[in-house]
Amino acid sequence: DAKTTQPPSMDCAEGRAANLPCNHSTISGNEYVYWYRQIHSQGPQYIIHGLKNNETNEMASLIITEDRKSSTLILPHATLRDTAVYYCIVRATASGGSYIPTFGRGTSLIVHP
Amino acid sequence: DSGVTQTPKHLITATGQRVTLRCSPRSGDLSVYWYQQSLDQGLQFLIQYYNGEERAKGNILERFSAQQFPDLHSELNLSSLELGDSALYFCASSVGDWGNSPLHFGNGTRLTVT
Repeated sequence: DAKTTQPPSMDCAEGRAANLPCNHSTISGNEYVYWYRQIHSQGPQYIIHGLKNNETNEMASLIITEDRKSSTLILPHATLRDTAVYYCIVRATASGGSYIPTFGRGTSLIVHP
Repeated sequence: DSGVTQTPKHLITATGQRVTLRCSPRSGDLSVYWYQQSLDQGLQFLIQYYNGEERAKGNILERFSAQQFPDLHSELNLSSLELGDSALYFCASSVGDWGNSPLHFGNGTRLTVT
């Protein structure tokens, strides 16, 4: 199963772009990259996902490298409310013939004034 | 609002007791997932149901069980509770199997075992 590597923590100034990297070098061709975030003790929130092409929605942009071995989540104008743990998830652990989303430790992003 | 509803929000009980946590998935979602998050720990996958059938199982203790009903809501039963079972329990739902559609999480049930 593919694994992800994320820096344990990052910080960003309010109003600036936050760029959160994720390495997933063992990703296979048909696996999506998903990003979630969890604001302290709340349920994780889905942000965005992509396969090959870059994606953008109202929350963030996702840049996937051409070889698909890494990706970057971009919060274009970070606010204090973006302070959270961000999880990058690719292939999940197979169990009973199904794939399940396995959350690692993620990146703790602190946005400061 | 993710559309996933979990009840109760808080639960305090004693060791040895049994509790039931309830989850209503988003309208139209067939898959339900249960996760446990202990203090300062990551999200640990427990079990997944798809349209009433068990689909995948993680490191779920034998004291824990779950089911998904015909109306697609799900319940997680925790019995013979121990202090170490104190945690946040999250439910998530998705349209189909994970991998093709994102998970949407509820706000969790905080279980405190005293």
